Amino acid sequence: DSGVTQTPKHLITATGQRVTLRCSPRSGDLSVYWYQQSLDQGLQFLIQYYNGEERAKGNILERFSAQQFPDLHSELNLSSLELGDSALYFCASSVGVASNIHNEQFFGPGTRLTVL
Amino acid sequence: DAKTTQPNSMESNEEEPVHLPCNHSTISGTDYIHWYRQLPSQGPEYVIHGLTSNVNNRMASLAIAEDRKSSTLILHRATLRDAAVYYCILRVMFRGGGADGLTFGKGTHLIIQP
Repeated sequence: DSGVTQTPKHLITATGQRVTLRCSPRSGDLSVYWYQQSLDQGLQFLIQYYNGEERAKGNILERFSAQQFPDLHSELNLSSLELGDSALYFCASSVGVASNIHNEQFFGPGTRLTVL
Repeated sequence: DAKTTQPNSMESNEEEPVHLPCNHSTISGTDYIHWYRQLPSQGPEYVIHGLTSNVNNRMASLAIAEDRKSSTLILHRATLRDAAVYYCILRVMFRGGGADGLTFGKGTHLIIQP
């Protein structure tokens, strides 16, 4: 158990809909990362937040957005869903930003999103 | 971005050492070499990382070539639980020590035979 929790575990929805994925980082971790894992694209970094502020962006679509709240939990919002958005979405957390290169990322169990 | 090249799959026997290679011929001086693994139906987990010197921890060893163009992850005594996809990742260090998210490649699928 990494200490990172993600809800829900599974989500089934229809094209065009909007969903919200939730992540609670390990106690004390200030950085949260979101990743998408699909069969054709592999594991891709989407976005990073540190203590409530966006720090880095990866291959995140404009239809997707995220935020980190004062209690440090984070939400990933996916809108206008398409079939190709079906994937596993992982959240990871690490201690901070400074010296981040040395800080391991702890991954949650993921949310499996199926878009029908 | 500097890229890594890993074999698609490798097979080993239980209780034997495993050497997982990674080529990164375009690595730059500030790139750190990180290894993560993903067990079946789980999120990735950190294994080890290094810059120039060889590194050891309770999980594995990392041997880095003198020219840093390749590295090898060593599992000293593989168990069935080590069957996973192993990812070799280069991370660029920003000024102040920060870094971007992890850029995963396809990794090496390690199969352990009992």
